[in-house]
Amino acid sequence: DTGVSQDPRHKITKRGQNVTFRCDPISEHNRLYWYRQTLGQGPEFLTYFQNEAQLEKSRLLSDRFSAERPKGSFSTLEIQRTEQGDSAMYLCASSRSYEQYFGPGTRLTVT
Amino acid sequence: GNSVTQMEGPVTLSEEAFLTINCTYTATGYPSLFWYVQYPGEGLQLLLKATKADDKGSNKGFEATYRKETTSFHLEKGSVQVSDSAVYFCALKGGETSYDKVIFGPGTSLSVIP
Repeated sequence: DTGVSQDPRHKITKRGQNVTFRCDPISEHNRLYWYRQTLGQGPEFLTYFQNEAQLEKSRLLSDRFSAERPKGSFSTLEIQRTEQGDSAMYLCASSRSYEQYFGPGTRLTVT
Repeated sequence: GNSVTQMEGPVTLSEEAFLTINCTYTATGYPSLFWYVQYPGEGLQLLLKATKADDKGSNKGFEATYRKETTSFHLEKGSVQVSDSAVYFCALKGGETSYDKVIFGPGTSLSVIP
């Protein structure tokens, strides 16, 4: 059990650019979640996959955001035409049954 | 909708002091309740959980009791250590809507000084 990994750990981009983050869940975890955490706040739910199916999306996930989980393994979160308000920590979590295990996060800074 | 409120920080305590971090929630049905901890530079870790009313979750000397009548899940520890310095998040999952997402409070930063 190597834990949930996320790549990159830090990303600085200019406004208007596209960025993509990757999450590798714990092997055999069929559920995968994306959250966003801004400074001084708790994480906010973005979206949830069970295997390769995206079962729920938050209204926080605007049309500029898209998430995929091909083959039910790793997942990617893409943000198109980034805005300064997208600056945050993006967290991934996975679970097999009850407890969600969180990765270290990807910190995005949009300049 | 479901929500979690917790006491504002930062909280600063001396080593061996008693800790209480208040948490209250709003939810329909019967959610499960959690405390997560985030140590500096690390990811979120589940500290303890309780899945039904009157359950007590405990781990590493921390305790919290699921109180349905007061919709509370206060975190306590009898004697804090410097290594307990971290941000603590109260959270809930499930309830009548049975969504699988976790809803977090804003977090309470704890600093323990020697």
